[in-house]
Amino acid sequence: SQQGEEDPQALSIQEGENATMNCSYKTSINNLQWYRQNSGRGLVHLILIRSNEREKHSGRLRVTLDTSKKSSSLLITASRAADTASYFCATFDNYGQNFVFGPGTRLSVLP
Amino acid sequence: DVKVTQSSRYLVKRTGEKVFLECVQDMDHENMFWYRQDPGLGLRLIYFSYDVKMKEKGDIPEGYSVSREKKERFSLILESTSTNQTSMYLCASSLEGQYTEAFFGQGTRLTVV
Repeated sequence: SQQGEEDPQALSIQEGENATMNCSYKTSINNLQWYRQNSGRGLVHLILIRSNEREKHSGRLRVTLDTSKKSSSLLITASRAADTASYFCATFDNYGQNFVFGPGTRLSVLP
Repeated sequence: DVKVTQSSRYLVKRTGEKVFLECVQDMDHENMFWYRQDPGLGLRLIYFSYDVKMKEKGDIPEGYSVSREKKERFSLILESTSTNQTSMYLCASSLEGQYTEAFFGQGTRLTVV
């Protein structure tokens, strides 16, 4: 099954800095989604970007999508300690039935 | 407020015991999923269901079964637990179609001793 791969695996930054996480995938998609997971909890949907979109914003989040490179990035601006979490990208499998998640990026925002 | 509720946050079971993990959603979603999450491996799909009484195997169905008798409830069954089933189990639901998001439960941390 196709799977997103996040990069880096872990990222540590100071409060106020920007955090960028990248995701690569293998096959064609019609949308890509980003999720957040606080430690020991379930995932929460952040944003969906369609394949015909190149960039999308939601509050302090900015997502880009480059279908020619099969990659996406998630930028969190002016990070806060509360942004500390793991972030996952997700696509659909080849049959369009299931969400397929990458291994995630663990973000630590230090106060 | 939409919700996916998993019956337990933490479970400790002995090897060989039968375990039921229950998941209930209140959003009238067609699709429901069970994932397990392990460090370094991300989320792996165990089973999913796109309708009542329908089920499909995911990537790692061995050692698991599921039941969906009602639209809102999707149960994961571990017939005879083993230590390699120690993991975080996550239930999710979604509407039909690909432009929908997954809603997750809070997770069940299962430890098999």
